[in-house]
Amino acid sequence: GENVEQHPSTLSVQEGDSAVIKCTYSDSASNYFPWYKQELGKRPQLIIDIRSNVGEKKDQRIAVTLNKTAKHFSLHITETQPEDSAVYFCAASSRGGADGLTFGKGTHLIIQP
Amino acid sequence: DTEVTQTPKHLVMGMTNKKSLKCEQHMGHRAMYWYKQKAKKPPELMFVYSYEKLSINESVPSRFSPECPNSSLLNLHLHALQPEDSALYLCASSGSTDTQYFGPGTRLTVL
Repeated sequence: GENVEQHPSTLSVQEGDSAVIKCTYSDSASNYFPWYKQELGKRPQLIIDIRSNVGEKKDQRIAVTLNKTAKHFSLHITETQPEDSAVYFCAASSRGGADGLTFGKGTHLIIQP
Repeated sequence: DTEVTQTPKHLVMGMTNKKSLKCEQHMGHRAMYWYKQKAKKPPELMFVYSYEKLSINESVPSRFSPECPNSSLLNLHLHALQPEDSALYLCASSGSTDTQYFGPGTRLTVL
């Protein structure tokens, strides 16, 4: 089955700086890669996703890049704000997500004021 | 209605009890999922329903029994659970874009 590795487990950045979280996956059949943000006690919320036919996708301060050859994808957050503090999970799935998602272990992002 | 709802929010049960978790969505989504999330861990897939049929069971113990009565509802029946089954149980659904939307979860405590 799919295995997703995520690094780092904790990331502390100064407000206004950029944050980068990296994930690798094992199954070359995976073709859908979402990122979720989960605040304490709340549900995971999708912040951005990318499919294997695209190398990069951007939505305001958030961007995701995908390297299919190397089987890795990254989340980039620019101009970080205090409300960006949360746990971020990457995930991978084949069949566009229909098989369910395999999540990375999560990154606790801390924005220092 | 653009949300996935789950009831109850919290549930405490003994090891001999039988209880059910409910999940509902009115977005016309064709696939529904159950995930289990322990504290400080990622969600782990338990079951996938596609067009009201069970398509994936991730080797979940039989004390967890899923049911999909119709395209909007997903239940998880619980029986003879163990304390280590205490967790947040998340339901999700997805439609034609395959994006999975999560419900708020049921926090289950097994005594």
